[in-house]
Amino acid sequence: QKEVEQDPGPLSVPEGAIVSLNCTYSNSAFQYFMWYRQYSRKGPELLMYTYSSGNKEDGRFTAQVDKSSKYISLFIRDSQPSDSATYLCAMNGAGNMLTFGGGTRLMVKP
Amino acid sequence: EAGVTQFPSHSVIEKGQTVTLRCDPISGHDNLYWYRRVMGKEIKFLLHFVKESKQDESGMPNNRFLAERTGGTYSTLKVQPAELEDSGVYFCASSQEVSPGYSYEQYFGPGTRLTVT
Repeated sequence: QKEVEQDPGPLSVPEGAIVSLNCTYSNSAFQYFMWYRQYSRKGPELLMYTYSSGNKEDGRFTAQVDKSSKYISLFIRDSQPSDSATYLCAMNGAGNMLTFGGGTRLMVKP
Repeated sequence: EAGVTQFPSHSVIEKGQTVTLRCDPISGHDNLYWYRRVMGKEIKFLLHFVKESKQDESGMPNNRFLAERTGGTYSTLKVQPAELEDSGVYFCASSQEVSPGYSYEQYFGPGTRLTVT
């Protein structure tokens, strides 16, 4: 069983929709949670970084962490075609090694 | 501020040859990481440098992989001899100085796509 599970998609939505991306994890030692966006043939770009349970908002993006359920989410409001990319969740504990989900491919259609 | 840079962007080599990948971290970042993504799999950790010292190399697949970070600046990852299963995208990331019990954000480079034929 993988430590971090993420639905690979693809997830196709119309422009302007609210997108919900999710990951579940099994290791209760994970304390730090990140969302990366990766465009084709590019490196992962850090979008959100959270530590505690609850919500963190940055513009159109909201990261949500529920440590009791071992579940994290990324919400994208008013989605744009430029948001089309692969979204990766990543997490780590006291060490610095990141454990990644497999990524969800998102397509936002004009 | 310049981000993490990697060279080359793409390398195609034959099985048994040697390849050296280079990573230049963000200036001032003491921590440097190597990760790899093979086809169809998630990105996996290879190793972590703090300045010039290897902090964690638990993800290195075998002794055909050698990573160095002389002087605590740029890093190289050498694969010798390369095997077919080494094909994938190799990412480098860097982060600020680590405080005990605290983890800083890791910023990734564009990756080097390695193809072993």
